[in-house]
Amino acid sequence: EVQLVQSGTEVKKSGESLKISCQVSGYNFVSYWIGWVRQMPGKGLELMGIVYPGGTVVDPGHPDVRYSPSFQGQVTLSADRSITTAFVQWRSLKASDTAMYYCVRGGPLPIDAFHFWGQGTMVTVSS
Amino acid sequence: QSVLTQPPSASETPGQRVTISCSGSVSNIGTNTVTWYKQLTGTAPNLFIYSDDQRPSGVPERFSGSKSGTSASLAISGLQPEDEAFYYCATWDDSLNVPVFGGGTKLTVL
Repeated sequence: EVQLVQSGTEVKKSGESLKISCQVSGYNFVSYWIGWVRQMPGKGLELMGIVYPGGTVVDPGHPDVRYSPSFQGQVTLSADRSITTAFVQWRSLKASDTAMYYCVRGGPLPIDAFHFWGQGTMVTVSS
Repeated sequence: QSVLTQPPSASETPGQRVTISCSGSVSNIGTNTVTWYKQLTGTAPNLFIYSDDQRPSGVPERFSGSKSGTSASLAISGLQPEDEAFYYCATWDDSLNVPVFGGGTKLTVL
């Protein structure tokens, strides 16, 4: 059974750093794309980026990461094969980062749909 | 502003049929398959329709997806109260090189 288990609720202050996680099980971690989706309070879904833990043909040792334009430079997506876990990291949080964050599992190709969703991690940032 | 455009709301009475549209461009819907996600208030979204018109196991036949050119649609017939939810379309965008979502449509069953 495919499972995506996300880390718990976070309450932080502006300027602080944060790293949230998504531990997966039930499938080959390196063979499927993982995405991160932001949902601000009362708003819709926004794709932050996607990461392929299996890396690229040229560099299989480093995850392949692609960012949506709005999130490029704002967050860092990563993946650790040894613990089958994906991460989102912020260096300096802003109040506008307050949102629910979902990790999602795609397919072997980056264009594949997100068939599995984590339970979400709520991040609240106070100014 | 979302890359894919959906009406913010739709409503219909129980038993009737409703259609939710999703408009894009050549670089996204015009070239790639469309997925629909359903989100009940306070819960994580889940996949509802994929590859334009495929239903995962457990999704009733009264839900159907279609696509024509740069637009896609989700049709729901025989509306039931439990269909009340937010529905989001999504697809790959060849220009942005990432998946993109529509802004979402809140479906109300009157």
